Amino acid sequence: EDQVTQSPEALRLQEGESSSLNCSYTVSGLRGLFWYRQDPGKGPEFLFTLYSAGEEKEKERLKATLTKKESFLHITAPKPEDSATYLCAVGQGGSEKLVFGKGTKLTVNP
Amino acid sequence: NAGVMQNPRHLVRRRGQEARLRCSPMKGHSHVYWYRQLPEEGLKFMVYLQKENIIDESGMPKERFSAEFPKEGPSILRIQQVVRGDSAAYFCASSHMNTEAFFGQGTRLTVV
Repeated sequence: EDQVTQSPEALRLQEGESSSLNCSYTVSGLRGLFWYRQDPGKGPEFLFTLYSAGEEKEKERLKATLTKKESFLHITAPKPEDSATYLCAVGQGGSEKLVFGKGTKLTVNP
Repeated sequence: NAGVMQNPRHLVRRRGQEARLRCSPMKGHSHVYWYRQLPEEGLKFMVYLQKENIIDESGMPKERFSAEFPKEGPSILRIQQVVRGDSAAYFCASSHMNTEAFFGQGTRLTVV
């Protein structure tokens, strides 16, 4: 069964304090690994798709990387507006559904 | 280009009533997915539909829940005879084939 585990569950950072979020996964035949951001009371907002080990993608202060067993979301010099829950999901080849982790709640204090 | 539209945003139903949740996919998207998010839980896949077809309903409860995506109009998630445990946020997403899914803002169902 496909599984996604995110750590830590919650993370508090000071503005400018860089850190990383982890997403460990087990899946048979990875179709893609997806990162989303979710604000309270809102739907998930798409950030990145990674398809193969070694791939990296960047967007503003965020950088996502992928290995065969895990993905990292690196946050460089975060700002308070980066506060949100970050969700990781995997898609299995031959299936369109996504399996989500429980998310990491990030709080960035000014 | 409007995103995925869900309505209503909030829905209150008494136990035993029916709940109908609507989802209009992004323009040009033919794949629709429904997910449920319980408090302190991750998003759980329920069903995947294309126009007039249910492709994967492996996450749907066996009873009381049904989904459709007609040739014309929005996708509908229908919950009959709601119970307190159905209270959750229900999210719809849409995509092209084999691409990332974009989510709507969700419908928050409260069963009283």
